[in-house]
Amino acid sequence: AQTVTQSQPEMSVQEAETVTLSCTYDTSESDYYLFWYKQPPSRQMILVIRQEAYKQQNATENRFSVNFQKAAKSFSLKISDSQLGDAAMYFCAYRSAGVQGAQKLVFGQGTRLTINP
Amino acid sequence: DAMVIQNPRYQVTQFGKPVTLSCSQTLNHNVMYWYQQKSSQAPKLLFHYYDKDFNNEADTPDNFQSRRPNTSFCFLDIRSPGLGDAAMYLCATSNRGSGRYEQYFGPGTRLTVT
Repeated sequence: AQTVTQSQPEMSVQEAETVTLSCTYDTSESDYYLFWYKQPPSRQMILVIRQEAYKQQNATENRFSVNFQKAAKSFSLKISDSQLGDAAMYFCAYRSAGVQGAQKLVFGQGTRLTINP
Repeated sequence: DAMVIQNPRYQVTQFGKPVTLSCSQTLNHNVMYWYQQKSSQAPKLLFHYYDKDFNNEADTPDNFQSRRPNTSFCFLDIRSPGLGDAAMYLCATSNRGSGRYEQYFGPGTRLTVT
């Protein structure tokens, strides 16, 4: 079974600085998808960024980018120019690429990010 | 805007009193999921529907049931809530076969059991 590990329960960063959240995963599959989801306090979980394992190029979405290291099974999220609205719990998630089966998300334990003004 | 809607946002029920949580979606997605999320933890998948095909997780207690009468709606029934069932319940959708693989989440229903 696949597992996802986020080794940083909490992180903090000064506003306008850059922060990197770590995520590692374990799988025997070669094709899969990885996601970062953001869950602000008492608010909806939303997708931040996704990465297809077959793509070598790292995904970027505005201030958010990933460092995807397939051989190392590492998928870190970099947030540039941190803003107060980035404060949230961040979850790393894995999903198999197969068209059969549950297509479930396997979540990490989450990293709580605090932005200091 | 297309979205996932959950009602109510907050639900209080008594120990042992059945409760139903509702989820609807305007995305026309073929898969709907129910998650349980306890404080500061990752969401835990309870079950999901692919169209009308129900898929239960092996460790989901029998106390939790689900119904999906049509594409748009899915319900979570807790037959006899215990104190340990107090949590945030998240509904999510995805569209299998669309080429897009992410799940879209609703705002959640926070369940309190007294």
